[in-house]
Amino acid sequence: AQSVTQPDIHITVSEGASLELRCNYSYGATPYLFWYVQSPGQGLQLLLKYFSGDTLVQGIKGFEAEFKRSQSSFNLRKPSVHWSDAAEYFCAVGSDNQGGKLIFGQGTELSVKP
Amino acid sequence: DAGVIQSPRHEVTEMGQEVTLRCKPISGHNSLFWYRQTMMRGLELLIYFNNNVPIDDSGMPEDRFSAKMPNASFSTLKIQPSEPRDSAVYFCASSLLGRAEAFFGQGTRLTVV
Repeated sequence: AQSVTQPDIHITVSEGASLELRCNYSYGATPYLFWYVQSPGQGLQLLLKYFSGDTLVQGIKGFEAEFKRSQSSFNLRKPSVHWSDAAEYFCAVGSDNQGGKLIFGQGTELSVKP
Repeated sequence: DAGVIQSPRHEVTEMGQEVTLRCKPISGHNSLFWYRQTMMRGLELLIYFNNNVPIDDSGMPEDRFSAKMPNASFSTLKIQPSEPRDSAVYFCASSLLGRAEAFFGQGTRLTVV
């Protein structure tokens, strides 16, 4: 079955510290991978996406993610977290065969300590 | 472009009432998706349309839920009658047909009391 797993429900990091949010997927077709961010009371904003090519992709707000096919992972990273990064982060998988039909992980809530 | 526009942003209704959520996709996009977000189930796809035609409604929870897309710039999600367990945030998203990247609206927070 197709699925996305985000093992960490909640992560707390100190401001200025590095961040890595984990995402593992199970998908039969060639996956297209996404990270979205949701601030409280807001919609989902696309941070970055991987379709093909270079497995390290850069996104907005200083985020990057690395696609590792052998590990079925697409972890999100940021070298130095800012207080404004506190939000919920969702990993999602889809394919062009199904258009924008996405399967989402359960999300990881990020808290940032001053 | 203003992005995907949903209305209302918040809706509070009494159990048994009809609720209609509205969505205007990004101009030029020809795929539209309705998602529901709850604490228990996370983000789940309810139904999606390609070129105004419903393609997959397997995520619609019950017959009380219905969705329409009368034209390329408007879609509705209707719940009749509403129940407290329908309380959730409902998102609309749009994309270009054949492209996996979806753009989301701000959502409608529905509370059924």
